[in-house]
Amino acid sequence: ETGVTQSPTHLIKTRGQQVTLRCSSQSGHNTVSWYQQALGQGPQFIFQYYREEENGRGNFPPRFSGLQFPNYSSELNVNALELDDSALYLCASSFFREPYPQEQYFGPGTRLTVT
Amino acid sequence: KQEVTQIPAALSVPEGENLVLNCSFTDSAIYNLQWFRQDPGKGLTSLLLIQSSQREQTSGRLNASLDKSSGRSTLYIAASQPGDSATYLCAVFSGSARQLTFGSGTQLTVLP
Repeated sequence: ETGVTQSPTHLIKTRGQQVTLRCSSQSGHNTVSWYQQALGQGPQFIFQYYREEENGRGNFPPRFSGLQFPNYSSELNVNALELDDSALYLCASSFFREPYPQEQYFGPGTRLTVT
Repeated sequence: KQEVTQIPAALSVPEGENLVLNCSFTDSAIYNLQWFRQDPGKGLTSLLLIQSSQREQTSGRLNASLDKSSGRSTLYIAASQPGDSATYLCAVFSGSARQLTFGSGTQLTVLP
């Protein structure tokens, strides 16, 4: 069984640029969630994708967008990067079966630095 | 809005000691609660999941309890080891928000 993988591991971007982060779900999972973790803080929910549609969103602006593909892999896109976007971005996959959410499994994260 | 608080923020104990980490949440309408471990700069490793209908879960030296009505959970670590040193995060899945809400974590250091 393959766990959750993320790419790239590290990324350095300049303010104003755009970035795409990628995530491959654990085998058998149908839901992907993205979280942002600033240094010394707990992760903050960005959004969740289920059946290729956004299924919930946290308090993040529209310049944070995502996609889920038929194979349940996912992308997080961030436009017009700001210095405060520097963080560890975590992807989590789970098997969602109404009405109860199941255990979420996290990937190793992508460390994004915006200069 | 769900808020999760973890106390203490940091804890240092000698090897072999039993310890308790605390987590509290403001909205008792949760589906489940998860405890995670995070090593520096790494992703999250799920330790225990407690469904809202359960009172506790055990895995090896770890035991987590849940008192939903009072909005509290504890993670008990028995016979701590230096390898247990990490940040421990508590998170609740609230039904209305369909998201995990995390505390800021407890940074644990076990001294040899």
